[in-house]
Amino acid sequence: DAGVTQSPTHLIKTRGQQVTLRCSPKSGHDTVSWYQQALGQGPQFIFQYYEEEERQRGNFPDRFSGHQFPNYSSELNVNALLLGDSALYLCASSGPRGASYNEQFFGPGTRLTVL
Amino acid sequence: QKEVEQNSGPLSVPEGAIASLNCTYSDRGSQSFFWYRQYSGKSPELIMSIYSNGDKEDGRFTAQLNKASQYVSLLIRDSQPSDSATYLCAVKRGNAGGTSYGKLTFGQGTILTVHP
Repeated sequence: DAGVTQSPTHLIKTRGQQVTLRCSPKSGHDTVSWYQQALGQGPQFIFQYYEEEERQRGNFPDRFSGHQFPNYSSELNVNALLLGDSALYLCASSGPRGASYNEQFFGPGTRLTVL
Repeated sequence: QKEVEQNSGPLSVPEGAIASLNCTYSDRGSQSFFWYRQYSGKSPELIMSIYSNGDKEDGRFTAQLNKASQYVSLLIRDSQPSDSATYLCAVKRGNAGGTSYGKLTFGQGTILTVHP
């Protein structure tokens, strides 16, 4: 049973550039959530996708956008990168209805460094 | 006031001891509570979920929930050096229909070190 996968593992960009991160959810899951984790902090919610639509969003600027595809995989796009965007980006999958629908399982993350 | 607060660490316990990790939350609409373990350089791993008041045991781990006091805790019995990690408390609001809708709100984490 494949778990949540993310790519790439690491990424180095310069200020002002754009980046796209990718996530494939766990088999059988249909909901993808994205989180940003700065060093020494807990993950912060960016947004959640379900049925190819963003259904909840955290306190992040419009530079952060996403997409979900018919196969439930998802992308996170960040435009006009700032130094402060350097963090571990985590994808979590969950659902559908069932005993564990509330539980979110994380992928290995993408470490983004902005220079 | 932070939405989810965890006891400040780092917490250091000897091997074989009980480690106690605490978490308080401010949103009374929270209905689901989770503990994640995160090893250095890795992603969070779900170790416990709890939804009802009381205790829930899974192996060496016991989660305790008191919604009236807005308090969640995690006890690790017979602590092992391999338990050394950051422990993250996360909460989620309830939602109608029992779906996966909703974000997790995390605390800042507590670093646990178990020394031989």
